[in-house]
Amino acid sequence: KAGVTQTPRYLIKTRGQQVTLSCSPISGHRSVSWYQQTPGQGLQFLFEYFSETQRNKGNFPGRFSGRQFSNSRSEMNVSTLELGDSALYLCASSPSKGTDTQYFGPGTRLTVL
Amino acid sequence: DQQVKQNSPSLSVQEGRISILNCDYTNSMFDYFLWYKKYPAEGPTFLISISSIKDKNEDGRFTVFLNKSAKHLSLHIVPSQPGDSAVYFCAASGIYGGATNKLIFGTGTLLAVQP
Repeated sequence: KAGVTQTPRYLIKTRGQQVTLSCSPISGHRSVSWYQQTPGQGLQFLFEYFSETQRNKGNFPGRFSGRQFSNSRSEMNVSTLELGDSALYLCASSPSKGTDTQYFGPGTRLTVL
Repeated sequence: DQQVKQNSPSLSVQEGRISILNCDYTNSMFDYFLWYKKYPAEGPTFLISISSIKDKNEDGRFTVFLNKSAKHLSLHIVPSQPGDSAVYFCAASGIYGGATNKLIFGTGTLLAVQP
């Protein structure tokens, strides 16, 4: 089975722009979660989707949003980018909702100039 | 409030010896714990997990121990190999407020296995 894929792998944007990141989960997995990794804050939970519904949201401003499609693919969007949004954005998938092992993609490295 | 803590930022071990990585948590509602291995600029790779109904889980060279009363878990790698050198994260999740896949991560421990 193919693993979790994320596109693009690298992205450079300037302050004030907006960005959309994409995640394709492992085939058959219906839950997708997003995480942000920064040197200062470590790995932090952004949001979780299951069956196109957001089930959980981390402590991030409303500029961070996401959605999930009927094929379980997910996108996250960050509007009005700030320098502090520079990070590695990770997507993880798992078979179902509830406590379950999550498998991570390679991440998208976002740099905001 | 750091709910999952890895107090050792780094650990150095000789090849062939045992590596012991530790993790403490504060939230008694956590009921599922995982260890991930991570290289820079890559996604975490799942290693092993343990449910709160168990106190030990083993998979090849990796064993995770859970001490619920102490709110402490550890990962043992025996024998350690140079390829094990990476950052190791412990993570926790729990069925509270509804089933959730939200993972709370520790800050990571950099393991260096010396040949």
